[in-house]
Amino acid sequence: KQEVTQIPAALSVPEGENLVLNCSFTDSAIYNLQWFRQDPGKGLTSLLLIQSSQREQTSGRLNASLDKSSGRSTLYIAASQPGDSATYLCAAPYSGAGSYQLTFGKGTKLSVIP
Amino acid sequence: GAGVSQSPRYKVAKRGQDVALRCDPISGHVSLFWYQQALGQGPEFLTYFQNEAQLDKSGLPSDRFFAERPEGSVSTLKIQRTQQEDSAVYLCASSFLGLAGVSRETQYFGPGTRLLVL
Repeated sequence: KQEVTQIPAALSVPEGENLVLNCSFTDSAIYNLQWFRQDPGKGLTSLLLIQSSQREQTSGRLNASLDKSSGRSTLYIAASQPGDSATYLCAAPYSGAGSYQLTFGKGTKLSVIP
Repeated sequence: GAGVSQSPRYKVAKRGQDVALRCDPISGHVSLFWYQQALGQGPEFLTYFQNEAQLDKSGLPSDRFFAERPEGSVSTLKIQRTQQEDSAVYLCASSFLGLAGVSRETQYFGPGTRLLVL
């Protein structure tokens, strides 16, 4: 069974700072790993999806890396802005039968202080 | 185009009441998922549909939970005889591909229904 852990649980940074969010997973036989953003009272918005054959994906100020051998992924946010404040979740699909099931971490709650 | 929509957005139920939660997936999406998110936790998988077929209900916590997607589009999650531990946000997600490809693509989530059982 896949288990996903995210560190830290909460992070507060001043505006403009670069930051890294960490995600670890126990089963490396994954198709991909996804990073989502969740704003209060809203659903999840997909940020980046890294296929298992890739090592990283970039979208604007966001860069996600994937190291399957060590069971780790990181989300790097450059030049943080107050609008980046949200909870960030990583999700890895359950391997084997039922691989469409996403297993989520508990998330990292990010606060960017103006 | 419209994203995934869910209704109601908020539901307060007395313990023992039955509730029905609705999900409208993105038009043309074959796969539909239900997840349950408790306060301070990540979403947890409940059930998966490919078109109208419920292929996986392994995450449903008890036989009080029932989901259907009779015409392969709109889905309803029904909870009978609600208990306080059912209080959570219920998220619906959809994706374009079916079983053969769904693991390789992203899932698009709705805003969720926040259920509070008193």
